[in-house]
Amino acid sequence: EPEVTQTPSHQVTQMGQEVILRCVPISNHLYFYWYRQILGQKVEFLVSFYNNEISEKSEIFDDQFSVERPDGSNFTLKIRSTKLEDSAMYFCASTVNQGELFFGSGTQLSVL
Amino acid sequence: AQKITQTQPGMFVQEKEAVTLDCTYDTSDPSYGLFWYKQPSSGEMIFLIYQGSYDQQNATEGRYSLNFQKARKSANLVISASQLGDSAMYFCAMRSIQGAQKLVFGQGTRLTINP
Repeated sequence: EPEVTQTPSHQVTQMGQEVILRCVPISNHLYFYWYRQILGQKVEFLVSFYNNEISEKSEIFDDQFSVERPDGSNFTLKIRSTKLEDSAMYFCASTVNQGELFFGSGTQLSVL
Repeated sequence: AQKITQTQPGMFVQEKEAVTLDCTYDTSDPSYGLFWYKQPSSGEMIFLIYQGSYDQQNATEGRYSLNFQKARKSANLVISASQLGDSAMYFCAMRSIQGAQKLVFGQGTRLTINP
């Protein structure tokens, strides 16, 4: 069964460093998303991406964040200069259109 | 703006009993979808069930059913014959059906099934 894959599963970084979180959405899906979940809290929307551009972003998604779909299969989230409060589980998701979002297993980011 | 409210931070249920997890929502969109996801301790988000706003029948998927009351704006999840493996965090979510709209999540309910 096709699935969304995310790498790495865990990422530890120093404050101020750049990180890139990688995702491979399901191949025929057209809409892509990043969410984050701080430990024990709700799942928060970061950004949605369609037709090679951002379709919506939240207040969390400031200038430190960027997304890219460089080669038609990967979908990346970059955090330019990480802060302690960026520590969270980051989920990538994709969908064909109106149905459920299919989530990857997440990348646990720890900023020290 | 869309909003999902789950008022039960935690639920404790005996194995084999049925359990209802509450979810209310607010939206001005005429067409929307309601979803339930399960998040076990391993962290992944598992899709359980979907209800469209114009669906006449309540959705069912195996032991899961969605009690959809549109006038009350509620979409409660019912799990019949609960099992130990049902212990997890459960999130109610919604999205507009138009376009590539984001999924908006509630705060979640932590369900614990006792043997």
